[in-house]
Amino acid sequence: AQSVAQPEDQVNVAEGNPLTVKCTYSVSGNPYLFWYVQYPNRGLQFLLKYITGDNLVKGSYGFEAEFNKSQTSFHLKKPSALVSDSALYFCAVRGNDYKLSFGAGTTVTVRA
Amino acid sequence: NAGVTQTPKFQVLKTGQSMTLQCAQDMNHEYMSWYRQDPGMGLRLIHYSVGAGITDQGEVPNGYNVSRSTTEDFPLRLLSAAPSQTSVYFCASSYWTAGPNEQFFGPGTRLTVL
Repeated sequence: AQSVAQPEDQVNVAEGNPLTVKCTYSVSGNPYLFWYVQYPNRGLQFLLKYITGDNLVKGSYGFEAEFNKSQTSFHLKKPSALVSDSALYFCAVRGNDYKLSFGAGTTVTVRA
Repeated sequence: NAGVTQTPKFQVLKTGQSMTLQCAQDMNHEYMSWYRQDPGMGLRLIHYSVGAGITDQGEVPNGYNVSRSTTEDFPLRLLSAAPSQTSVYFCASSYWTAGPNEQFFGPGTRLTVL
């Protein structure tokens, strides 16, 4: 069975500092990896995905993620965080079936 | 495009009542799915469909039924509501061609079962 772990429930950073949200996964076969963001009382919004190719994936709003096959990780990064980046972030994995498995989520708070 | 729409936004049920959560999309997506979101547990897949007339179970299907008679609509039915079904429910859709595509999510339905 596939699974996703987001080891940090909360991440707190100061505006302008780098932001990293960690994600590790377990899946049979080639992993398809996604990051989504959820703002309060809203549905999830897609940020970026990894399917194959370059290990550094660039996405929306200045976010990027680095795929590391040996460490089975897909960490989300932003070089300079904004207060508006404060939200709930989900990592998700899909294997060779139709099902997407989500992590428990990481709450990011960016203080001014 | 309205994207993915869900109704109602809020619902309160008594134990044992039944209801249908509606989901519609206007993007001609083949794939549609239902998730529930509970604190500290992320999103868990309830049921999904890869096209009209085709549905399958996800991670937590018990107590829920679905059908897909058209490409646009994917209703979720609660047969006999239980307090354990108190949650926020999200519908999502995506294309289903040439590999995994990002899903588009609706705004959610917040359900409370008393």
